[in-house]
Amino acid sequence: SQELEQSPQSLIVQEGKNLTINCTSSKTLYGLYWYKQKYGEGLIFLMMLQKGGEEKSHEKITAKLDEKKQQSSLHITASQPSHAGIYLCGADWSGNTGKLIFGQGTTLQVKP
Amino acid sequence: NAGVTQTPKFQVLKTGQSMTLQCAQDMNHEYMSWYRQDPGMGLRLIHYSVGAGITDQGEVPNGYNVSRSTTEDFPLRLLSAAPSQTSVYFCASSYNRHTEAFFGQGTRLTVV
Repeated sequence: SQELEQSPQSLIVQEGKNLTINCTSSKTLYGLYWYKQKYGEGLIFLMMLQKGGEEKSHEKITAKLDEKKQQSSLHITASQPSHAGIYLCGADWSGNTGKLIFGQGTTLQVKP
Repeated sequence: NAGVTQTPKFQVLKTGQSMTLQCAQDMNHEYMSWYRQDPGMGLRLIHYSVGAGITDQGEVPNGYNVSRSTTEDFPLRLLSAAPSQTSVYFCASSYNRHTEAFFGQGTRLTVV
């Protein structure tokens, strides 16, 4: 069973629309990381959340971690073609190993 | 500053052959990890290390060996390649358990 579930698995949106990607953990998170990957390339770090209720923003992307630290959301405002790619959430459950387990990813397409 | 460097970028192996995927980082990071990425599966952790001389198994360790003799290098060995090991392999490193992981550009391995 998948301990870290992402939804939706894929998403197609019109340019300019807002969207949300969710990441749900089967247990309490020590840390939650969001990454973006373009096809055929490595992962680019977006944001890290560690405290319950924490929210961080960078440009048009906002990530939140719920109070119970078991769910995170990634929200993109006014999407652009440059936002297209695979978004992955990674979880640290141990807090002492730096061992990250990832969700299966959400593929985002943005239509011009 | 090169970051995380993986070699080779592409490799084709015959079933039963052995090879080593190289990973080197120049950021003096203690934590290093190997992942494989398959369609629809996200990133799955193979092995990780919290420092020189210390390694541990991840989610899918079977068929792979690692060692960490220096802080900089974390090679991944396939002793007898199988078609099921056809995948894209990523190496990652982080400074400590509270910081984000940096990823290499990946090695695309095909076993025929």
